[in-house]
Amino acid sequence: EVQLLESGGGLVQPGGSLRLSCAASGFSFSRYAMTWVRQAPGKGLEWVSSISDSGDSTYHADSVKGRFTISRDNSKNTVFLAMDTLRAEDTAVYYCAKIKSGSFSFGFDYWGQGTLVTVSS
Amino acid sequence: SYVLTQPPSVSVAPGQTARITCGGNNIRSKSVHWYQQKPGQAPVLVVYADSDRPSGIPERFSGSNSGNTATLTISRVEAGDEADYYCQVWDGTSDHWVFGGGTKLTVL
Repeated sequence: EVQLLESGGGLVQPGGSLRLSCAASGFSFSRYAMTWVRQAPGKGLEWVSSISDSGDSTYHADSVKGRFTISRDNSKNTVFLAMDTLRAEDTAVYYCAKIKSGSFSFGFDYWGQGTLVTVSS
Repeated sequence: SYVLTQPPSVSVAPGQTARITCGGNNIRSKSVHWYQQKPGQAPVLVVYADSDRPSGIPERFSGSNSGNTATLTISRVEAGDEADYYCQVWDGTSDHWVFGGGTKLTVL
């Protein structure tokens, strides 16, 4: 059974930093690209960052480029999201998701339950 | 950047057919995916690559993509289908994933 378990969320002050983790199990982690998606309270889904299966390629939304960094450790089946210079508008539930195949043509087939990040003084 | 446009809401009576649209410039050239999200839950992939269904998704869910509009069709709608639905594509020009704004499906 595929499982994705996010951790690391919490309350942080504006300008602060946070590192999210997503522990994966139930599939061959190193064969799949992974991604982070967020959802602000009462709002829609917003793609944040994606990383290729090997970790060689990373992609970030314009709203987080230069502030957020996605990475992965295939030896530990874990994907990370390092978030710096946090703003109030980064407040959201952050979901980790598995991309259905090695290419970006098939969507996100498994999602974690999400971790809440609140940026407030 | 590429934009996907969805109607904010769609209403349908039980047993009828719901159609949720997703508009984008020449969207037929892209692979469209659809997600269902119920309150307090993570999204669930219901259709991928325009018209394929993941295992476990009922045949009542189907998708199509033509011209500038992709459509998610839910046949024989049930009360349990009430949820927010999002379309999504990968924009290879910007190397960004793009979500539509979401459509709230209400079962009357």
